[in-house]
Amino acid sequence: AQSVTQPDIHITVSEGASLELRCNYSYGATPYLFWYVQSPGQGLQLLLKYFSGDTLVQGIKGFEAEFKRSQSSFNLRKPSVHWSDAAEYFCAVVAYGGATNKLIFGTGTLLAVQP
Amino acid sequence: DSGVTQTPKHLITATGQRVTLRCSPRSGDLSVYWYQQSLDQGLQFLIQYYNGEERAKGNILERFSAQQFPDLHSELNLSSLELGDSALYFCASSVLGEPYNSPLHFGNGTRLTVT
Repeated sequence: AQSVTQPDIHITVSEGASLELRCNYSYGATPYLFWYVQSPGQGLQLLLKYFSGDTLVQGIKGFEAEFKRSQSSFNLRKPSVHWSDAAEYFCAVVAYGGATNKLIFGTGTLLAVQP
Repeated sequence: DSGVTQTPKHLITATGQRVTLRCSPRSGDLSVYWYQQSLDQGLQFLIQYYNGEERAKGNILERFSAQQFPDLHSELNLSSLELGDSALYFCASSVLGEPYNSPLHFGNGTRLTVT
């Protein structure tokens, strides 16, 4: 079954530093991949998605992600982190189930930003 | 503001009771998804409705049921509640019927506490 793994439960970076959040997927063909962000007390907001084509995907809030088939990865990056980026980040993949398809989330990475 | 409205925001009830969570999707969205978020299970997909019909089913317990009404709002019914049902329940909506062809927009969730 398709799934995503986020190996880092918690990451702390300094404001202004670069950020990379890891996501590994399990799927034989090209997957539909997403990154969502959840701020405290809020629902999830879509940052970006990958379906096909250019493997470097730009999203909102200055985030980007790169799809690497050889590594089964879809890591999220930001060159310079702002304090407002502190949140929980979820990688997600569409799991195909015959006639029905589901959006399956990873366990999340909680990002803390130090001043 | 995602445009998805969930009520109530908080719900405290006792074991064995039954509750109903309500979701109003964004204007124009035909799909409604329900997710459960807990510390031990993460974000679990429960069920999806599209234009009034059940579209996909996830890890939804038999004690739980949902429906989508003609005006497209949805209700999630949880019965015979157990302590382990305490969680944040999210509703999301999208325009189309598949999770890969239109983004999911999440509400802010209903926090259910079972005592």
